[in-house]
Parts: sequence; structure tokens; C-alpha cells
Amino acid sequence: QSALTQPASVSGSPGQSITISCTGTSSDVGGHNYVSWYQQHSDKAPKLMIYEVSNRPSGVPDRFSGSKSGNTASLTISGLQAEDEADYYCSSYTTSAALDRVFGGGTKLTVL
Amino acid sequence: EVQLVESGGGLVQPGGSLRLSCAASGFTFSDYWMSWVRQAPGKGLEWVANINQDESARDYVDSVRGRFTISRDNAKNSLYLQMNSLRAQDTAVYYCARDFAVAASDLWGQGTLVTVSS
Repeated sequence: QSALTQPASVSGSPGQSITISCTGTSSDVGGHNYVSWYQQHSDKAPKLMIYEVSNRPSGVPDRFSGSKSGNTASLTISGLQAEDEADYYCSSYTTSAALDRVFGGGTKLTVL
Repeated sequence: EVQLVESGGGLVQPGGSLRLSCAASGFTFSDYWMSWVRQAPGKGLEWVANINQDESARDYVDSVRGRFTISRDNAKNSLYLQMNSLRAQDTAVYYCARDFAVAASDLWGQGTLVTVSS
């Protein structure tokens, strides 16, 4: 069981917008602004899409945006494209135990 | 080219040892914290360990503490993970990753598969 809770799957049609939620606790998501999101295509390495809740690394399209409210962070993808179909993982710094970060269980995005 | 390349994975029996390596190129390796993250077959990501720039700080997930050791050689631009007393539950693709910000990794290797089985 993952530390952060994500929906197992979401889907949308090309051009639509989707949002993936990531729920944690006050020890991780709710306790600070170190939430990241990763995209992982099948059999590929993860790619950083969002860091510090809402910042995009250079090269990531502005169709990808992040936000947070309380213990829940969200990733929104607008103007869905076929190449957005992938697994998405949230991650958060945590003050629990002796961990540096925890991940969500991942969300499979299907572009219909 | 900015990249990370892992090596050293393979098949090992339960209780055995393995040493993973990660070669960095195209950036100033000694400027960054580095992490190992693993992914069991068909499962999600799990942070395993990280190390700061001069090896004065290291941390591990509880399930590997005391069995795994992370280290680095800045002169060789290399990161390592010594894995002892391996268990079936350690079977995974192991990625090395560059820590770009707090608990965020912006550069990942292609991964190396470790299979623990008799």
C-alpha cells in the first residue's frame, strides 16, 4: 500500500482536460510545498513534470499544471494529446520515519 | 550529453549481494544530491536511498537500512548501491536519479533490473 493515494485510472478524449488527485497527510503533502509529479511511459524511465507543487522544469509544456489544497495535490493536463497516455506518479517530501520522499501508487491515463 | 547510465543488475540468489553503479556525464556530478529509486515488476515507484554531495549525509528507506549502502566517487562521476542480504522483495528495476530540488529528481537513468530468486 502506497503512502500517497491516487486513482488507479483516468481517461479523457483529445483536447479535453483531466485532473489526477494525490492525497496524503500533514506529514507529507499537507505539511510543505515539496510535491512532484512524474510521467512514465511503458518501459521507460520516469520524467519530472512538476516540482514544488506547481513549477514546471524547462521543456515541459504549459498544458501540465499542478496545485495543492490541504492534504491533496492535483495534476491537471489540459488539451490532452495522444502522447500524454502514460502512468503518472505523485511524490512528496515527508517528515515521517526516516524517509526522504514517498510516492503515490500511480494513475494510468488513457487518451480515448 | 547529460545522462545517467546504470549497470550491475542481474540474477542473484536470496541472501546474496550485488553492487549497482551509475555513471554520470554531461553535468557537474559533485554539485548534486543523488538518489536510488526502484520499481518492482508491474508496481509503483519506491525511493530507496539518497546521498549528499560530499557523502556526509545518507538516508535509506527502512526496508533496506542495514542491508544496502549508497556511496559515490565524485572523481569518477559515479554513484553506487551495495546491496547485501538480498530478498525476493528486492526484485525491481533500480534507477539512479539526480536530485534537482527537495525530493524531486529531474534526471533518471534507464534502470537496471535486479532479480532475486533461487
